[in-house]
Amino acid sequence: SQKIEQNSEALNIQEGKTATLTCNYTNYSPAYLQWYRQDPGRGPVFLLLIRENEKEKRKERLKVTFDTTLKQSLFHITASQPADSATYLCSPGAGSYQLTFGKGTKLSVIP
Amino acid sequence: DGGITQSPKYLFRKEGQNVTLSCEQNLNHDAMYWYRQDPGQGLRLIYYSQIVNDFQKGDIAEGYSVSREKKESFPLTVTSAQKNPTAFYLCASSTLAGSYNEQFFGPGTRLTVL
Repeated sequence: SQKIEQNSEALNIQEGKTATLTCNYTNYSPAYLQWYRQDPGRGPVFLLLIRENEKEKRKERLKVTFDTTLKQSLFHITASQPADSATYLCSPGAGSYQLTFGKGTKLSVIP
Repeated sequence: DGGITQSPKYLFRKEGQNVTLSCEQNLNHDAMYWYRQDPGQGLRLIYYSQIVNDFQKGDIAEGYSVSREKKESFPLTVTSAQKNPTAFYLCASSTLAGSYNEQFFGPGTRLTVL
């Protein structure tokens, strides 16, 4: 069955450092992969989408990579700030109108 | 403002009662979705709809029902057959065009069964 694993349930980093979150998937050949941010008690908010033929995508301080050989996506936040503290969800998509989500990684940026 | 609204934000229900969660969008999106989120868990798809008067079961549809009579609305009923209904429920919508469908989520409804 399809499986999505996000590297850890929680990640603590110092303000100003780069946070790197990992998303691994198995039994899957996604055409794209999305990353969402979720704050406590709120709905997820879309951040970035990367297609299978793209190696890297950037948006401001965010960078996403997509390695279809390793079946992995990395999500980087550079110059992290306490306001970046949230849970980040990855979601590989395979062309249907359903999306499957990982359990998320809770990022805490410590001042 | 365009977006998705869910009501109520908090809902309490006694065991054995059916309850309906509201979801409305004014984004002119064709597709709508219902997810359930439990503490420490990912989002699990309950039902989704691509067009009016049509919907499909997701991974955990048992004990739930939906309707899609209008493009803007996709209410979810949690029936008494749902064994463990206490959870955070999220509604989302997306455009139908193309397969790279970014989803827009509502603020969620937290259902507690007493």
